[in-house]
Amino acid sequence: EVHLVESGGGLVQPGGSLRLSCAASGFTLSSYWMSWVRQAPGKGLEWVAHIKPDGSEKFYVDSVKGRFTISRDNAKNSLYLRMDSLRAEDTAVYYCVRNGIVITFGGAPYWGQGTLVSVSS
Amino acid sequence: QSALTQPASVSGSPGQSITIFCTGTSSDVGGYNSVSWFQQHPGKAPKLLIYDVTKRPSRISNRFSGSKSGNTASLTISGLQAEDEADYYCSSYTTTSTSLYVFGSGTTVTVL
Repeated sequence: EVHLVESGGGLVQPGGSLRLSCAASGFTLSSYWMSWVRQAPGKGLEWVAHIKPDGSEKFYVDSVKGRFTISRDNAKNSLYLRMDSLRAEDTAVYYCVRNGIVITFGGAPYWGQGTLVSVSS
Repeated sequence: QSALTQPASVSGSPGQSITIFCTGTSSDVGGYNSVSWFQQHPGKAPKLLIYDVTKRPSRISNRFSGSKSGNTASLTISGLQAEDEADYYCSSYTTTSTSLYVFGSGTTVTVL
């Protein structure tokens, strides 16, 4: 059974940094595109970043470019999101998401439970 | 990166059918068969209902169906049940965003 478990969220001051982790199990991580999706309180969903199965390509929404870095360690069955220069508007629940083997097909069938990041002084 | 357009709310009575529309452009919904639909109950993670426009994961009820015409995708819920009351989001691959995918603005479904 596929499981995705996020950790690393918490309260951080504006300008601060945080690293989210996602522990994956029940499937071969190295075969799948992985993503981070966030949801601000009371708001809709937003794709934040995607990473190719081998980690060779990464894609970001404009609002986090240059501040966030998605990475993965397939040997450790883990996905990461390094977040620097955090702003109040980054406050959200962050979800780890498993996509398909090909990014354009298969949808996003598996989601973690989410971890809350709060940016406030 | 503009979100795909969805109605803010849709309502229906138990047993009825409702349809939620998701409008994009030829650079996203209209150009690719990479449209998905998600259901989200309060405080829960989103759940995939439909992928690749019309496909349904095995664990999802056949009361949920998807289609697309031009730049607009749609999700139909037939035989509406109380448990269908939730937020629904569409998502599409896009070439107008460096983030590869974009979500719709979300639709709240109310069962009367």
